[in-house]
Amino acid sequence: AQTVTQSQPEMSVQEAETVTLSCTYDTSESDYYLFWYKQPPSRQMILVIRQEAYKQQNATENRFSVNFQKAAKSFSLKISDSQLGDAAMYFCAYRNSGAGSYQLTFGKGTKLSVIP
Amino acid sequence: DVKVTQSSRYLVKRTGEKVFLECVQDMDHENMFWYRQDPGLGLRLIYFSYDVKMKEKGDIPEGYSVSREKKERFSLILESASTNQTSMYLCASSPVGAIGGTQYFGPGTRLLVL
Repeated sequence: AQTVTQSQPEMSVQEAETVTLSCTYDTSESDYYLFWYKQPPSRQMILVIRQEAYKQQNATENRFSVNFQKAAKSFSLKISDSQLGDAAMYFCAYRNSGAGSYQLTFGKGTKLSVIP
Repeated sequence: DVKVTQSSRYLVKRTGEKVFLECVQDMDHENMFWYRQDPGLGLRLIYFSYDVKMKEKGDIPEGYSVSREKKERFSLILESASTNQTSMYLCASSPVGAIGGTQYFGPGTRLLVL
């Protein structure tokens, strides 16, 4: 079974600075998807960024980028120019790519605080 | 935009009560999911459904059942609520064939069982 580990339960960053959230995973599959989801306080969980394992290029979405190291099974999220609205729980998630593979496996989350 | 709604944001029930949590999505998604979220444990999958009347157990199905009579609606049922089912319950949906199978989440139902 796949596992996802987020080793930082809590982190903080100064507004306008850069922060990196860590995620490692364990799988025997060669093709899969990785996600970062954001859950603001009392608000809905939303997708931040997605990475296909067969793509070597790291995904980016505006101020959010990932460092995907397939051999190391590492998938970290970098938030640049942090804003107050970035304060949230961040979850790393994994999904097999095969047909019929619907399940996401989530890490335990990292609570990010942004200091004004 | 995809919209996933859940019938209640907050719910208080007594031990032994039958509890229904409803989830509705408006984007004709085939797949729907129920998770529970607990501090320090992340999200754990309870059940999912990939079609009407079809269901699959997730990682923690004990004490729960589900119903999917219509494509847009997925219900989670606690047959006899217990205090250890106090939690945040999240519903999600996703379309078949979506790149990566991105899931869209509802706002959650915070359930307290007394």
